[in-house]
Amino acid sequence: EAGVTQFPSHSVIEKGQTVTLRCDPISGHDNLYWYRRVMGKEIKFLLHFVKESKQDESGMPNNRFLAERTGGTYSTLKVQPAELEDSGVYFCASSQDRSHTIYFGEGSWLTVV
Amino acid sequence: AQSVTQLGSHVSVSEGALVLLRCNYSSSVPPYLFWYVQYPNQGLQLLLKYTTGATLVKGINGFEAEFKKSETSFHLTKPSAHMSDAAEYFCAAMNSGGYQKVTFGIGTKLQVIP
Repeated sequence: EAGVTQFPSHSVIEKGQTVTLRCDPISGHDNLYWYRRVMGKEIKFLLHFVKESKQDESGMPNNRFLAERTGGTYSTLKVQPAELEDSGVYFCASSQDRSHTIYFGEGSWLTVV
Repeated sequence: AQSVTQLGSHVSVSEGALVLLRCNYSSSVPPYLFWYVQYPNQGLQLLLKYTTGATLVKGINGFEAEFKKSETSFHLTKPSAHMSDAAEYFCAAMNSGGYQKVTFGIGTKLQVIP
């Protein structure tokens, strides 16, 4: 069974450009999460989808970040326009309904220069 | 708000020595607790978790952790370190009410010295 997959694994963009990160959760997992780790800091929650609905987006830093999950399958996280402080690793994770176990992807490394 | 504290951002042990990585949580209601590991250039992998029941939980690769409510701790141990254990370890907590938002500690990088 395929795990959580993320694309791209690495991205280097200039300040002001746009980047879109994609996450494919484990098949059948209704819950999808985005987390971010800025260099030297904790891994922090960004948002949580249940199917296609945003359950909690309290961790989204500002309105330059837009997450979508059309059809309740894969999700995208768009950063527009990117700023230097957006650099970090963006993790996607998924879980089955009411499961305590959350499965993480390998992360998307974003560097904004 | 829930917080997770990991003592020591870097820990070095000799191969064959005991591994002890410390984790404390803040909530008054015991949460669900997890340890994740990240090997170089890989994602986060679940080592073990505590939800209810036995307070000593065993995970993969010989690791175990003990939930101690009186100390609000969930320290990770392994009797004998192996070179392949070199990685970054994250303690994490989830509110036991069922809401699945996870709070992470800052992470501890484990170095194993030959």
